[in-house]
Amino acid sequence: DGGITQSPKYLFRKEGQNVTLSCEQNLNHDAMYWYRQDPGQGLRLIYYSQIVNDFQKGDIAEGYSVSREKKESFPLTVTSAQKNPTAFYLCASSRFTPSYEQYFGPGTRLTVT
Amino acid sequence: KNEVEQSPQNLTAQEGEFITINCSYSVGISALHWLQQHPGGGIVSLFMLSSGKKKHGRLIATINIQEKHSSLHITASHPRDSAVYICAVSTGANSKLTFGKGITLSVRP
Repeated sequence: DGGITQSPKYLFRKEGQNVTLSCEQNLNHDAMYWYRQDPGQGLRLIYYSQIVNDFQKGDIAEGYSVSREKKESFPLTVTSAQKNPTAFYLCASSRFTPSYEQYFGPGTRLTVT
Repeated sequence: KNEVEQSPQNLTAQEGEFITINCSYSVGISALHWLQQHPGGGIVSLFMLSSGKKKHGRLIATINIQEKHSSLHITASHPRDSAVYICAVSTGANSKLTFGKGITLSVRP
């Protein structure tokens, strides 16, 4: 079945460590996105990519990095520079551009202590 | 910047009731999305619309472009409809989505 997978579902890290969240899609979508969700707030865009080897910063890119070496994969690294990394992270993909219907992965809940 | 407001923030209903969830936005849009997020966290796209009305099963979404307002209706509600319903808008083909904070719906048996 086509879809988006994120792993792991839950992730625990010590403060000061970098951590990479995985996102893979087999929908043949060009565009991929990373969102952060905090309690009481709407989803906020971290980074997005509309084509392989290219990506753009979203609204809250500081402390995060991404790569898009393959069409299917868009990993997100949460660096030690991110001041409040504990959150729920969602990956999504769509055809072509952000205005198309977006398909979401199951999310990764990151806890940093 | 487009502001997206959803109301009410929390909503409780009895099974079988007709439910309406509202979304308002501040500037013109190219499309509006309704999303559903279940307690496990995964998000599913319910509708994407730019005008008029769409129906899927017991769900109906409407949009009034002039009034900058959309509604999501659930007919014959069921406890499995309990979820967070999120409205998001885009202002152009290449524009990012702006999300509302979501409305938490609880349907009691």
